[in-house]
Amino acid sequence: GPKVLQIPSHQIIDMGQMVTLNCDPVSNHLYFYWYKQILGQQMEFLVNFYNGKVMEKSKLFKDQFSVERPDGSYFTLKIQPTALEDSAVYFCASSLGGAGSDYTFGSGTRLLVI
Amino acid sequence: GDQVEQSPSALSLHEGTDSALRCNFTTTMRSVQWFRQNSRGSLISLFYLASGTKENGRLKSAFDSKERRYSTLHIRDAQLEDSGTYFCAAEAGGSNAKLTFGKGTKLSVKS
Repeated sequence: GPKVLQIPSHQIIDMGQMVTLNCDPVSNHLYFYWYKQILGQQMEFLVNFYNGKVMEKSKLFKDQFSVERPDGSYFTLKIQPTALEDSAVYFCASSLGGAGSDYTFGSGTRLLVI
Repeated sequence: GDQVEQSPSALSLHEGTDSALRCNFTTTMRSVQWFRQNSRGSLISLFYLASGTKENGRLKSAFDSKERRYSTLHIRDAQLEDSGTYFCAAEAGGSNAKLTFGKGTKLSVKS
């Protein structure tokens, strides 16, 4: 079936540096999401995005986080500066519609901040 | 408290046996989606339900259409490859476009 691609699959970065996580959503999907998962635990909602705007963000979406999707390119999550507690697996998802649609998830980017 | 409560948190089965996982919601939900996360961490969508039941091979899921407060995932004739962590995730009503996940059920199938 259609897939969400995430690049890179793994990233190691020094604390304080900037990192950009890239997501290529399903081609006709309009809604995009980022989730955070620590050590195989619960998936935590970070943010959703539609029509060039953040619709909702959780308290985990710190001021150091930002998202964007310039026309025709990846949906990105940028963390600047990174902190040790940002180490986690970040999953991107997309859906065709908003509420009431099923979600397609990528395979995740494993981020390690050292 | 958590909006999505999954049970059990862990489960060990012998090959060939049947089991059921459950998700309770503290509020009425519009839809539910079940996922399996494998050992590499990939999240595989199993079912999306806005109501009723769906079946795929040895897996069957149901969403309480009346009160919309729980969902179940049944595994029939468990196989080794069914091992993994199963997550349910639900979407509340209104214009709220996000999934809220449960804490997962870690399933281990043994020969």
